[in-house]
Amino acid sequence: KNQVEQSPQSLIILEGKNCTLQCNYTVSPFSNLRWYKQDTGRGPVSLTIMTFSENTKSNGRYTATLDADTKQSSLHITASQLSDSASYICVVTLNTGTASKLTFGTGTRLQVTL
Amino acid sequence: GAVVSQHPSWVICKSGTSVKIECRSLDFQATTMFWYRQFPKQSLMLMATSNEGSKATYEQGVEKDKFLINHASLTLSTLTVTSAHPEDSSFYICRGGGLAGEETQYFGPGTRLLVL
Repeated sequence: KNQVEQSPQSLIILEGKNCTLQCNYTVSPFSNLRWYKQDTGRGPVSLTIMTFSENTKSNGRYTATLDADTKQSSLHITASQLSDSASYICVVTLNTGTASKLTFGTGTRLQVTL
Repeated sequence: GAVVSQHPSWVICKSGTSVKIECRSLDFQATTMFWYRQFPKQSLMLMATSNEGSKATYEQGVEKDKFLINHASLTLSTLTVTSAHPEDSSFYICRGGGLAGEETQYFGPGTRLLVL
């Protein structure tokens, strides 16, 4: 069964600190992996996208890594800000040849506090 | 980047009424629209996929007669929740697809539905 698991479920950190979110997947065949940020009551916004051959991708203070061999990805947030408080969702695209299907992780809820 | 809008952003209705949610692609032609539902603290669940000018494909367990999807143009898809009940209260999100050579992953801002 194609699954995407994220950890931790929730995380509280102090403003200015760094944090790393984890994503393990069993989706196969794999097309790409995206990290999204979803603010409360809003739709997801794409942060990074990585294909099978990419190991790392940065977007400002966000850096995603991918190990396609172990089927693990991480999202590292540097110098966190209060506005980083949101849910972060790992989404893996399954490539069926004729169509693509997204498999969503359950997300990590991050709260950045003073 | 590609922009997808939804209207309304939130709606409160009485049980038994029907509610229509619009999803528009503002700067690209969305040949495919995906509709998701998200309950509190849960992940997005795909409800249906619609292709412009053809019938929508519903995921297992989603009632097609209850969730009517229309994708009449390349920039507009609508989801109508018919005879809404309190258990239909949820966050509904659309995603537009169709940019040439790229799988679009631009989500709309979502519509919060509360059925009393």
